[in-house]
Amino acid sequence: GQQLNQSPQSMFIQEGEDVSMNCTSSSIFNTWLWYKQDPGEGPVLLIALYKAGELTSNGRLTAQFGITRKDSFLNISASIPSDVGIYFCAGQLGYALNFGKGTSLLVTP
Amino acid sequence: ETGVTQTPRHLVMGMTNKKSLKCEQHLGHNAMYWYKQSAKKPLELMFVYNFKEQTENNSVPSRFSPECPNSSHLFLHLHTLQPEDSALYLCASSQDLGSTVYEQYFGPGTRLTVT
Repeated sequence: GQQLNQSPQSMFIQEGEDVSMNCTSSSIFNTWLWYKQDPGEGPVLLIALYKAGELTSNGRLTAQFGITRKDSFLNISASIPSDVGIYFCAGQLGYALNFGKGTSLLVTP
Repeated sequence: ETGVTQTPRHLVMGMTNKKSLKCEQHLGHNAMYWYKQSAKKPLELMFVYNFKEQTENNSVPSRFSPECPNSSHLFLHLHTLQPEDSALYLCASSQDLGSTVYEQYFGPGTRLTVT
């Protein structure tokens, strides 16, 4: 599969702060997906992006499909303690999804 | 029940045991996947089924044997596993491999420990 570089690897922030993470690849993808995984659970789909340049929001989450189709970012505004978890990006080419290694987010009250 | 369910949630097995993992999806999808998730590694795709037919075996050792009796159910049969096979095994489903909707929905996973 294609390698995705996801950064940062981990973040430790205070409640109320905004968060930004991104995913880059040397390959072009047709679709970018963002997932969140809580401890002991499977990944939950947050946002799907289908067009280069597309900006999509889901509540406090906003994600963008990079114009080069090789990157995507996810922003979380006004973080809360339940935002804690691991966030994964996934790029789609063909029917396979290629996943990043994840960004671990810790939020302190 | 809705979504994707997996049983058991936790499994401890010896290296000589035989066990099976079960996945069921209630989303009306026709494609199902097995992934392996190990610490510090990206999710690794193991097997893909589309309308009950296996379309991908991602160089998975033969001690893992998948079975897909219908579009809603997926099994992973395990035998003579190694300690390095300990991981979280995730099942996912999507519409089908010919669809332009690529969103995959995951189950909660089975935490497998091989002793």
